[in-house]
Amino acid sequence: KAGVTQTPRYLIKTRGQQVTLSCSPISGHRSVSWYQQTPGQGLQFLFEYFSETQRNKGNFPGRFSGRQFSNSRSEMNVSTLELGDSALYLCASSRGTGLVYEQYFGPGTRLTVT
Amino acid sequence: KNEVEQSPQNLTAQEGEFITINCSYSVGISALHWLQQHPGGGIVSLFMLSSGKKKHGRLIATINIQEKHSSLHITASHPRDSAVYICAVSVPKYGNKLVFGAGTILRVKS
Repeated sequence: KAGVTQTPRYLIKTRGQQVTLSCSPISGHRSVSWYQQTPGQGLQFLFEYFSETQRNKGNFPGRFSGRQFSNSRSEMNVSTLELGDSALYLCASSRGTGLVYEQYFGPGTRLTVT
Repeated sequence: KNEVEQSPQNLTAQEGEFITINCSYSVGISALHWLQQHPGGGIVSLFMLSSGKKKHGRLIATINIQEKHSSLHITASHPRDSAVYICAVSVPKYGNKLVFGAGTILRVKS
């Protein structure tokens, strides 16, 4: 089975712009979760989608949003980028919802905001 | 105080040594995950457990629900085990979202 894929792998944006990141889960997995990793805050949960519905959300401002499509692929959007949004964004897929299933992580998208 | 605490923060070992990384948590959980992250960012899930003990190759993970504590053991450590090991818990009161520890940086010298 192919693993979780994320595109793009690297991205440079300017403050104030918006960005969309994409995640394709392992075939058959219906849950996709997104995480932000920074040197200062470590790994933090952003949100989880299951069957096109957001099931859980972390403590992030409304500039961070996401969606999931009928084929389970997910996108994450960040609007009005700030310097502090520079981070590694990881997605993970799993068979079921509720984050009590093993998480399979993608390689991440490294976002730099200048 | 963080809800998930890992110790030690940094660990240097000689090849062949037995290694233990600890994770303590202060909230009720439905599952605990041990993750491995190599330089470059990729994360691999090593174990997910809610009770007892699991073993995979040279890796062993244990959890004591009453004491709110888990350990990850690496037997016969090897330089390729050098990575960051992260403990994460699924917390029901937060809708089972994952809460992460800060990670343990492990370096195994040959």
